[in-house]
Amino acid sequence: SQTIHQWPATLVQPVGSPLSLECTVEGTSNPNLYWYRQAAGRGLQLLFYSVGIGQISSEVPQNLSASRPQDRQFILSSKKLLLSDSGFYLCAWSVATSGGETQYFGPGTRLLVL
Amino acid sequence: KQEVTQIPAALSVPEGENLVLNCSFTDSAIYNLQWFRQDPGKGLTSLLLIQSSQREQTSGRLNASLDKSSGRSTLYIAASQPGDSATYLCAVAPRGTYKYIFGTGTRLKVLA
Repeated sequence: SQTIHQWPATLVQPVGSPLSLECTVEGTSNPNLYWYRQAAGRGLQLLFYSVGIGQISSEVPQNLSASRPQDRQFILSSKKLLLSDSGFYLCAWSVATSGGETQYFGPGTRLLVL
Repeated sequence: KQEVTQIPAALSVPEGENLVLNCSFTDSAIYNLQWFRQDPGKGLTSLLLIQSSQREQTSGRLNASLDKSSGRSTLYIAASQPGDSATYLCAVAPRGTYKYIFGTGTRLKVLA
């Protein structure tokens, strides 16, 4: 069965510090991978998606970047965090099936920038 | 630009009631629509996926319908239970893309 892991679960970082969040998927090959952010009181916002190794599409201009060094690994990074980067970060994966493309979400990382 | 709206934002009902959550979207050119459940501080769990060619999907006490022409979907929960308390999110994938656009959710509380 497929599983998706995210770490760390929670993170408190000072403004201006770097960031690296990791997401890994097990039990599937060549998935589409996604990073979302959920800010307090707001809906999920798609940040990045990837259809393959080294292929990253950015949805909104921001202080963050993403990389996919391996088929089932997706990393979200920042060189210098801003207060506005605080939020709940969710990684998701999907594969196309005859029944459509269902997205499966990880447990999330709660980031607080102080 | 596709926009997804969910009404109501919050809902509190006594246990045992049947209830309907609403989702509307502005562009009917969608690939599919998905309903998710999110418990506080947790990730999202997929409940039902409706392809653009389908009218409804059922899973246990849940039934989701899709009316593309009017840009609406409803999630029907039968015989609600306290364990159903969570935030329910609706998301649509515009045609030609797998990038879901999410509504802001309906926060449901079922009282024992």
